[in-house]
Amino acid sequence: NAGVTQTPKFRVLKTGQSMTLLCAQDMNHEYMYWYRQDPGMGLRLIHYSVGEGTTAKGEVPDGYNVSRLKKQNFLLGLESAAPSQTSVYFCASSTGSYSSTDTQYFGPGTRLTVL
Amino acid sequence: EDKVVQSPLSLVVHEGDTVTLNCSYEVTNFRSLLWYKQEKKAPTFLFMLTSSGIEKKSGRLSSILDKKELFSILNITATQTGDSAIYLCAVKGAQKLVFGQGTRLTINP
Repeated sequence: NAGVTQTPKFRVLKTGQSMTLLCAQDMNHEYMYWYRQDPGMGLRLIHYSVGEGTTAKGEVPDGYNVSRLKKQNFLLGLESAAPSQTSVYFCASSTGSYSSTDTQYFGPGTRLTVL
Repeated sequence: EDKVVQSPLSLVVHEGDTVTLNCSYEVTNFRSLLWYKQEKKAPTFLFMLTSSGIEKKSGRLSSILDKKELFSILNITATQTGDSAIYLCAVKGAQKLVFGQGTRLTINP
């Protein structure tokens, strides 16, 4: 039982390049989330998904796109990377937000640097 | 706009001290408040609080929620160097978690 996994762990991009971050969970969770974490900013929600085939914008969605074609996978895409997108990206999953006892399980993070 | 504010942002104490971390929030459709500990990598879950006045305890860590005054505290007694981490508070609203900025706790030997 791997929980939540993310690939890659590290990546360096040049401005304007594109890339996709992959998140996978094996807990059969309905909800999945992408966050970015910058120094002094806590975790900020980029996009999230409440089920296969659905996505929704979070707090800081600009410059990112997501897809949830399969329940266990949630992809985060950067079409044209900018230095402002240098950050650590965390994926998380949970059973479903309507339960007050629902908690999120986090992946190990991806450190992205855009030069 | 939903908001979670933690204080202090940074705290340095000596091993053995007791610390109190604060979290205040303004979130519509409050469902629960969660505390996470983040060391080098992903946040790890500590507590979930849903009811006022009921203390959750795990070893030297404890937490309590006040839904009337909209805040929570996380206490750590007899701190150890392994408690050094960023402590994140998050509040669950209708569909999402809203995170505070985190408190960076450093325990010096």
